Amino acid sequence: EAQVTQNPRYLITVTGKKLTVTCSQNMNHEYMSWYRQDPGLGLRQIYYSMNVEVTDKGDVPEGYKVSRKEKRNFPLILESPSPNQTSLYFCASRGHPSSYNSPLHFGNGTRLTVT
Amino acid sequence: KQEVTQIPAALSVPEGENLVLNCSFTDSAIYNLQWFRQDPGKGLTSLLLIQSSQREQTSGRLNASLDKSSGRSTLYIAASQPGDSATYLCAALNTGTASKLTFGTGTRLQVTL
Repeated sequence: EAQVTQNPRYLITVTGKKLTVTCSQNMNHEYMSWYRQDPGLGLRQIYYSMNVEVTDKGDVPEGYKVSRKEKRNFPLILESPSPNQTSLYFCASRGHPSSYNSPLHFGNGTRLTVT
Repeated sequence: KQEVTQIPAALSVPEGENLVLNCSFTDSAIYNLQWFRQDPGKGLTSLLLIQSSQREQTSGRLNASLDKSSGRSTLYIAASQPGDSATYLCAALNTGTASKLTFGTGTRLQVTL
């Protein structure tokens, strides 16, 4: 089954403790992206990747890092999480970066709480 | 900068009603307009994608229209069912920033028995 898989689904951590949220897709998609969703603000893009070893900032990249060493994986790294990063996070993928009229496929989300 | 607005924020209708969800956007230079469904605790599922050259798309009981000149899109749901209860989001893909969708904040729909 074609899918985008995120782990973990739920995560509670403390301020400053480094964490990684994994994202993997099995559709051989080149484009991948991370979003966060907050009440009243909708989904905002954090980082995106057009291909292996190619990443770029979205609208809200501060406090986050990503890497794209393999086509299928696109982990989101919080080096020193803070309470304002408490949010619902989504990973998404699409075929070729220029396949603009292909829909975006989303993972089921990771709910992160930073205390 | 693209801004996408969805009104109303929430809507409750009895089963069987036809309904329309509205989406407006400020920048008409788009590749497409997409509609998604989000169920509680789940990710987003793509429902319909309307390319900028198209006026509408249909899938089953769903019909989405696009009017670029007025910056509007609508999602029409025919003969609503309780299983349609979810949050519906629209998103615009701009030609200048094709790496990013700009999302509205969604309309939460409840279909009652």
